[in-house]
Amino acid sequence: DSGVTQTPKHLITATGQRVTLRCSPRSGDLSVYWYQQSLDQGLQFLIQYYNGEERAKGNILERFSAQQFPDLHSELNLSSLELGDSALYFCASSGGRLNTEAFFGQGTRLTVV
Amino acid sequence: GESVGLHLPTLSVQEGDNSIINCAYSNSASDYFIWYKQESGKGPQFIIDIRSNMDKRQGQRVTVLLNKTVKHLSLQIAATQPGDSAVYFCAEIGWGAQKLVFGQGTRLTINP
Repeated sequence: DSGVTQTPKHLITATGQRVTLRCSPRSGDLSVYWYQQSLDQGLQFLIQYYNGEERAKGNILERFSAQQFPDLHSELNLSSLELGDSALYFCASSGGRLNTEAFFGQGTRLTVV
Repeated sequence: GESVGLHLPTLSVQEGDNSIINCAYSNSASDYFIWYKQESGKGPQFIIDIRSNMDKRQGQRVTVLLNKTVKHLSLQIAATQPGDSAVYFCAEIGWGAQKLVFGQGTRLTINP
């Protein structure tokens, strides 16, 4: 158990819909990262937050947004969903702004039908 | 742009043999390189990291080698076991860049 909790574990939704994925980082970790992993693909970095502020942005679509709350949990919002958005979405947390030992959650498997 | 790639997408080794997984990177400004292991149905798990001012680092049964001249990173796993079967990702992070960039991954299969 990495200490990072993601909910829900599975999500099936229709095209055009909007979903929210939630991540609770390890206790005390200030950084949260979001990644997208398509089938048999690598992990695509989406966005990073540090102590409530956005720190780095990757290839995140405009239809996607995220935030980190005062209690340090984070949410990834995906809207106007398309079939191609079906993927595993991982959240990771680490203790500092730059910490190589990021701990990953179990992921949320999103299926868009 | 930044990219981290892997030489081989799949690798099969005999149980007990040593495994070597390779990775090429393109961002010479990267400060840290990290290896992650992802088992089926799980999130990636940190294995070992190495800073750019080092060329070798050893852990338990694993060794990471960094060759900055040719921008190459490798992970050596000694005496591979069935539990080592997984996809291995190399990743890099540049000082100040914050984002952890992952390569494509190599699937390691252990043959009995």
